Amino acid sequence: GESVGLHLPTLSVQEGDNSIINCAYSNSASDYFIWYKQESGKGPQFIIDIRSNMDKRQGQRVTVLLNKTVKHLSLQIAATQPGDSAVYFCAENISPTDKLIFGTGTRLQVFP
Amino acid sequence: NAGVTQTPKFRVLKTGQSMTLLCAQDMNHEYMYWYRQDPGMGLRLIHYSVGEGTTAKGEVPDGYNVSRLKKQNFLLGLESAAPSQTSVYFCASSYFGPFGSSPLHFGNGTRLTVT
Repeated sequence: GESVGLHLPTLSVQEGDNSIINCAYSNSASDYFIWYKQESGKGPQFIIDIRSNMDKRQGQRVTVLLNKTVKHLSLQIAATQPGDSAVYFCAENISPTDKLIFGTGTRLQVFP
Repeated sequence: NAGVTQTPKFRVLKTGQSMTLLCAQDMNHEYMYWYRQDPGMGLRLIHYSVGEGTTAKGEVPDGYNVSRLKKQNFLLGLESAAPSQTSVYFCASSYFGPFGSSPLHFGNGTRLTVT
């Protein structure tokens, strides 16, 4: 069963719509950010990463946006599919100590 | 490629028992990590290794020991299990590191219950 969190914020979207999952990070010295997807009973799966010298990076159906001014990270999923249903969480690397901090996540539910 | 493989997948221990969690990666990664995941909390680092024969403490190392005798394997030991160690344990590896250079690749976890 699900072990990531009992009361995670949940985003419900209709299949085919775009999803936007947000993450507020804590430290202005963070220089590297990663988005992970975790399906029930599985380990976190790397989706996309971005360094602090960029403000946008695109992958296949996913885009990560970084706003350093307000310390905000977002993951956009285009044309959301049922297989996208999972918990998504961000991680920030705090430089120069190289400490990786993981968020608790957002549950994405996709309905037909 | 199998990626990161963890064994066992599930385990139930009584308080005071010991066990070893096994992690193997076939990606030739130098860096390996052990995390625990508890409800309502982000992943927390227990121990990590920057190469064969090396280990270092993470955020929550108490009650755990690790060994990295071979590059591809990273073992996590519980010498005397306590109920507070009930958790899901994840092993991860990365090509660069530690932490801030490349993404971590995770196994599918070991669900441990200590009664």
